[in-house]
Amino acid sequence: EVQLVESGGGLVQPGGSLRLSCTASGFTFSSYWMHWVRQAPGKGLVWVSRITTDGKSTSHADSVKGRFIMSRDNSKNTLYLQMNSLRAEDTAVYYCAKGGSTMADFWGQGTLVIVSS
Amino acid sequence: QSALTQPRSVSGSPGQSVTISCTGTSSDIGAYNYVSWYQQHPGKGPKIMIYDVSKRPSGVPDRFSGSKSGNTASLTISGLHTEDEADYYCCSYVGNYLLSFGGGTKLTVL
Repeated sequence: EVQLVESGGGLVQPGGSLRLSCTASGFTFSSYWMHWVRQAPGKGLVWVSRITTDGKSTSHADSVKGRFIMSRDNSKNTLYLQMNSLRAEDTAVYYCAKGGSTMADFWGQGTLVIVSS
Repeated sequence: QSALTQPRSVSGSPGQSVTISCTGTSSDIGAYNYVSWYQQHPGKGPKIMIYDVSKRPSGVPDRFSGSKSGNTASLTISGLHTEDEADYYCCSYVGNYLLSFGGGTKLTVL
């Protein structure tokens, strides 16, 4: 059974940092591109970042470029999102998803990040 | 990276059909046959329903179908079931390995 479990969310002050993790199981993690997508409370889905199978290439939405870093450890079947210089507008549930370059075919249940003083 | 445009809400009765539109531009939906659709029930992670405009993943009922014309993609749900009530999001590849989602449509099954 495919599973993606996000962790690392919580309350952080504006300007602070947080690292999210996503642990994968039930599929060959190293064979899939991975994505982070977020959803502010009561709002829609917003694509954040993606990473290739080998972790050598990443892309980010303009809203997080230069602040967020996406990485993966294929030996640990784990995906990461390092979030720096956090702002109130980064408050959201963050989902990791597996897929390819053009879509995300399985999603986790998400982890909530709240940026507030 | 502008969001794609979806209606805020649609509704239908059990057994009826509904269509949800997703309007983009010639740089996203119009440029690529890489539109996907996601269903999200409250408090849950999204589930893929359609990919590559009209392909259904294994396990998705054939009541769900997708299409595209020009800069607009559509998701049609035939023979509505009560459990289809959810939020639906379209997503398009926009080049440079970037994706863009629509604002979401709330489907109410009356």
